[in-house]
Amino acid sequence: DVKVTQSSRYLVKRTGEKVFLECVQDMDHENMFWYRQDPGLGLRLIYFSYDVKMKEKGDIPEGYSVSREKKERFSLILESASTNQTSMYLCASSLDSSGYGYTFGSGTRLTVV
Amino acid sequence: AQSVTQLDSQVPVFEEAPVELRCNYSSSVSVYLFWYVQYPNQGLQLLLKYLSGSTLVKGINGFEAEFNKSQTSFHLRKPSVHISDTAEYFCAVTRKYSGAGSYQLTFGKGTKLSVIP
Repeated sequence: DVKVTQSSRYLVKRTGEKVFLECVQDMDHENMFWYRQDPGLGLRLIYFSYDVKMKEKGDIPEGYSVSREKKERFSLILESASTNQTSMYLCASSLDSSGYGYTFGSGTRLTVV
Repeated sequence: AQSVTQLDSQVPVFEEAPVELRCNYSSSVSVYLFWYVQYPNQGLQLLLKYLSGSTLVKGINGFEAEFNKSQTSFHLRKPSVHISDTAEYFCAVTRKYSGAGSYQLTFGKGTKLSVIP
């Protein structure tokens, strides 16, 4: 089975800190994604990457950046964390760009205080 | 613009009763359709998907969904629910992002199913 591993299950950071959320997949998938999940809003796409060093903005990229230096790793970066970025963050990967065959990680619940 | 609408944010149902979770999608998007389930404190798991062919799709845990092109709907059903079905369910469709020219998933806002003993 494909595994998508998010390095932290829970994270607490202070306002203004630089925050890194890490995601690693073990099945050589081309595509990786970062979603944010908030109650009543569902999942919203922040950024995605379809190749190493490539990235594309999703629906809500403001306040975030990403890095993909290796195929298996996709990092989400909050340059200066704010309280409105308190949320559940979900990473996913997929083999191709057809839109199906996503595998999700278990999520990182980030609290910014 | 929202491409997926889940019509109910919460659905309470008694154990062993049938349930239907409703989903409508925008007709302009590609018709790859999905239902995902999220159990408490877990990631998302694929329940079922419609890519082409038969409009009735069967998934895991006894769930099924019917693709209705004329009504742009993809409702999820189960004839008899169990306590263990208590979870949040997300409908999703593929959507083309012009920047990359690839298709990505867009999710609805979710429906919380609560099964009552």
